[in-house]
Amino acid sequence: DVKVTQSSRYLVKRTGEKVFLECVQDMDHENMFWYRQDPGLGLRLIYFSYDVKMKEKGDIPEGYSVSREKKERFSLILESASTNQTSMYLCASSSGTSRTLTAKNIQYFGAGTRLSVL
Amino acid sequence: AQTVTQSQPEMSVQEAETVTLSCTYDTSESDYYLFWYKQPPSRQMILVIRQEAYKQQNATENRFSVNFQKAAKSFSLKISDSQLGDAAMYFCAYRSAITGNQFYFGTGTSLTVIP
Repeated sequence: DVKVTQSSRYLVKRTGEKVFLECVQDMDHENMFWYRQDPGLGLRLIYFSYDVKMKEKGDIPEGYSVSREKKERFSLILESASTNQTSMYLCASSSGTSRTLTAKNIQYFGAGTRLSVL
Repeated sequence: AQTVTQSQPEMSVQEAETVTLSCTYDTSESDYYLFWYKQPPSRQMILVIRQEAYKQQNATENRFSVNFQKAAKSFSLKISDSQLGDAAMYFCAYRSAITGNQFYFGTGTSLTVIP
């Protein structure tokens, strides 16, 4: 079974703090994603990565950065947390290279990190 | 960017009855994949069912089936014999088979199952 593990289920931080959300997958997937989930807004893509050290901005990258130094690990960084970044953060991974897809390329999700910024 | 629309924020169904969740999408592509994901309360998001756009036959997984209408760009999910464990948020998602690896999600439908 594919396993996508997010380091924390719940996190409470203060405004201005630097926050790291970690995600690890164990299926050698090329692609990894960070989403933000808010009621009524669904899932919004923050960043994704299709290879080590490669990243692309999603729909809402402002205030976030990412790091992918190893294939299995994708980190989301909030350089200076703000209260409007209070949300559920979901990590996902999928197989497939940057421009080839197969019918098996579904996304597997982590359990989510609920971040509160006070 | 492609858009995925779920027009029903909330739905409810009696246990053992059938319910249909709606999803429409907007794309100019002809080759793509569509998915329904389920997110139970406080639990992990999991795939329910997927459909390849080039296949005319509607996908089925046990009690879950889809009605894929390519010309209408519609992809509804039918849950038969609803069970209490079906209560969850359901997300429709689109992925191009041609360009990129990005998934596009709808805003979700919260399904309540009434005992």
